[in-house]
Amino acid sequence: DAKTTQPPSMDCAEGRAANLPCNHSTISGNEYVYWYRQIHSQGPQYIIHGLKNNETNEMASLIITEDRKSSTLILPHATLRDTAVYYCTTRRGTSYGKLTFGQGTILTVHP
Amino acid sequence: DGGITQSPKYLFRKEGQNVTLSCEQNLNHDAMYWYRQDPGQGLRLIYYSQIVNDFQKGDIAEGYSVSREKKESFPLTVTSAQKNPTAFYLCASASPSQQETQYFGPGTRLLVL
Repeated sequence: DAKTTQPPSMDCAEGRAANLPCNHSTISGNEYVYWYRQIHSQGPQYIIHGLKNNETNEMASLIITEDRKSSTLILPHATLRDTAVYYCTTRRGTSYGKLTFGQGTILTVHP
Repeated sequence: DGGITQSPKYLFRKEGQNVTLSCEQNLNHDAMYWYRQDPGQGLRLIYYSQIVNDFQKGDIAEGYSVSREKKESFPLTVTSAQKNPTAFYLCASASPSQQETQYFGPGTRLLVL
């Protein structure tokens, strides 16, 4: 699985969009990009994943660059409850096996 | 209400005792996983199971054991052979219809006294 790089921390005002970047320049063609978040002392929560196309669900949008070397997770209207550590990772879509989290980005949403 | 449950939320153990952590899912997922997370660290895979009555060691299986007698259940036993068992334990299951996307339970925090 590709190595991912994320900024260690970001701030966002409540009600504004939070844009969290991730670099995965060594990603291979069959690897999906996954985003999870973890609120302190809770299990990681799945947010969204994608292969090539941009994806949107009820929680967030995922924008993947055309060369697939980076992506951005967008929380369109951040709330205080979105304060968490956000993890970007990659996995081959058909593989069983471990999920690897890096250090992630600590997102703090301010009132 | 579908999901993954882990119990208990907090568990205290005396040194030298075995302890079993429960993980149950009603999502009809085939694959289940156990991870360990230490403070400020990422996830480390302990064991995983792709199907009932079958499981494979992960990266840090020493001192742990599992069973998979039912599709819904994947209990983890932390044995006295595990030298540093204090950690946050996370169970996950994977959806075959979503490229094996893993969904996590709430976790069990184990503290050895």
